[in-house]
Amino acid sequence: AQKITQTQPGMFVQEKEAVTLDCTYDTSDQSYGLFWYKQPSSGEMIFLIYQGSYDEQNATEGRYSLNFQKARKSANLVISASQLGDSAMYFCAMREFTGANSKLTFGKGITLSVRP
Amino acid sequence: DAGVTQSPTHLIKTRGQQVTLRCSPKSGHDTVSWYQQALGQGPQFIFQYYEEEERQRGNFPDRFSGHQFPNYSSELNVNALLLGDSALYLCASSRRLAGVQTNYEQYFGPGTRLTVT
Repeated sequence: AQKITQTQPGMFVQEKEAVTLDCTYDTSDQSYGLFWYKQPSSGEMIFLIYQGSYDEQNATEGRYSLNFQKARKSANLVISASQLGDSAMYFCAMREFTGANSKLTFGKGITLSVRP
Repeated sequence: DAGVTQSPTHLIKTRGQQVTLRCSPKSGHDTVSWYQQALGQGPQFIFQYYEEEERQRGNFPDRFSGHQFPNYSSELNVNALLLGDSALYLCASSRRLAGVQTNYEQYFGPGTRLTVT
């Protein structure tokens, strides 16, 4: 069974600095996808970045990059130049490609607070 | 281009009652997934609908049922509500190409916050 682990307690970062949010995963499949979502207090899950298990390069989307270490089964999110609006819950999730079906398995999330 | 919409935003029900939550997928999407997010936890997969059929189900009792309509919108029904059903219910839509789920295009709605008293 697939599993996502996010064990960091609440994270704090100074505005304009970079921060790394940790995520480890467990799966027996060779083909899978890793996601990071942001959830502000409003509740909506906002897609940030995606990394496929066969992608050789780390994914980047603007200020977000994913540090993918396949052998260690880790997929850490790096946010550069933090902004006050980055304060939210962040979830790491994994999707296994089982034929035509799919579901996302989420971690418990990490609270990020950006200090001015 | 409207994103995923859900209704109602908030709902308060009493134990034993039944509830129906609604979701309209993003334009161009044909697959709807439902998730339950308890306070302080990550979302848990309930089930997924495609072509008006339940295609995959998570570890939830039969009290949780759903439906998908020809216009791809979906409903989540929960019978015999328990206090533990209090949660944020999220709907996510995605699109299949040639019947196969596309890699990462899964968009979430704002959720329905259900409180059971």
